[in-house]
Amino acid sequence: DTGVSQDPRHKITKRGQNVTFRCDPISEHNRLYWYRQTLGQGPEFLTYFQNEAQLEKSRLLSDRFSAERPKGSFSTLEIQRTEQGDSAMYLCASSLGGWRARTSSTDTQYFGPGTRLTVL
Amino acid sequence: TQLLEQSPQFLSIQEGENLTVYCNSSSVFSSLQWYRQEPGEGPVLLVTVVTGGEVKKLKRLTFQFGDARKDSSLHITAAQPGDTGLYLCAGFSNSGYALNFGKGTSLLVTP
Repeated sequence: DTGVSQDPRHKITKRGQNVTFRCDPISEHNRLYWYRQTLGQGPEFLTYFQNEAQLEKSRLLSDRFSAERPKGSFSTLEIQRTEQGDSAMYLCASSLGGWRARTSSTDTQYFGPGTRLTVL
Repeated sequence: TQLLEQSPQFLSIQEGENLTVYCNSSSVFSSLQWYRQEPGEGPVLLVTVVTGGEVKKLKRLTFQFGDARKDSSLHITAAQPGDTGLYLCAGFSNSGYALNFGKGTSLLVTP
């Protein structure tokens, strides 16, 4: 399977603990995105990388959240001092970007299966 | 933030019925996308509509982009249980990278 993969698929943690999620994009995709989805809502954008550079962050990404993509391939999303309100599905997506994608408006994002976080 | 409103929020129908779901905004979008999401999985892109007034067909699914590029609709003919899922519309933000999603329409098709 050469799609976007995420690990773990499920994570249960206690309030105050730190958690880290991993996303492996489709190979050759230079753009990577993180979204968060709560029950009854559509995904909400968190942050975007082009290669290793983090180019955009949503105001939803508080100081307790940090994302990295150190070598321009896989990415990690860390949440420090988790709160019950952080419980959600965390989705990663990747896209090809660059000249082959024509324009950003048609740059198709492929989503992974998500990591379901439950904070007790 | 460019808001996308989807209606209805929930829809339960029987196999063989037709249905239409709507995606509306007060903002103009360069393109709109429709995704389908199954429980415990990420969204999967169904179609991208780019031109105002455009109609695209994907088997029993017909997608339309409004002339003013502010709204879109998805029509399903002769729905099947396999069509069950969350249907999301999305448009690119002003930055051109982030997708803004609607809340989705949750469709249940019973045999």
